[in-house]
Amino acid sequence: QVQLVQSGAEVKEPGASVKVSCKTSGYTFTSHYIHWVRQAPGQGLEWMGIINPTGGSTSYAQKFQDRVTMARDTSTRTVYMSLSSLRSEDTAVYYCARGKGYGGDDSFDIWGQGTKVIVSS
Amino acid sequence: EIVLTQSPATLSLSPGERATLSCRASQSISSYLAWYQQKPGQAPRLLIYDASNRATGIPARFSGSGSGTDFTLTISSLEPEDFAVYYCQQRYNWPPLTFGGGTKVEI
Repeated sequence: QVQLVQSGAEVKEPGASVKVSCKTSGYTFTSHYIHWVRQAPGQGLEWMGIINPTGGSTSYAQKFQDRVTMARDTSTRTVYMSLSSLRSEDTAVYYCARGKGYGGDDSFDIWGQGTKVIVSS
Repeated sequence: EIVLTQSPATLSLSPGERATLSCRASQSISSYLAWYQQKPGQAPRLLIYDASNRATGIPARFSGSGSGTDFTLTISSLEPEDFAVYYCQQRYNWPPLTFGGGTKVEI
């Protein structure tokens, strides 16, 4: 079945970087874009950006433009999200989610289980 | 950026009752709206896409309607497992894709 399996929880100090992985299976990797969405404790959902697994092109929300990098490894069907210069406000659960169709303007039909990132000194 | 406003913030109902959730967009988004359900400690689950299309495996008691700026998610008869937080999301204008603030359906 279609699955997105994310890496485990992380605890980072302010100013550090974090890299979260999202391993996909059960579908043609290049047929669906992958999005990243985060959720701060007790808060709503916030879209961070998207990667096209075919060519690796990306588009980021302006809020994260200077700090986020998304990449993919087609050999392992894995997508990565890195966030730098972490601050306490980045404490959240980070989700990867598959675009339902093919394109950036999409809804999300399959989600990873989430990766909790805690930023604390 | 398109802002989505969900109402009410909390909906207190009993099993078997009908739930009506609203999502209003700051500008017309045609029918490019999705609805998600999220339970505590779980990832969101896609319920409805493009305003009125049920996602795979979603029960018929969930239905969506609307176009332009006003959208509704209706749960015809609440089951115990339906008590959760519901989010709307637009895909009309991006980046960024945006979500509403959520409606909590509680017992």
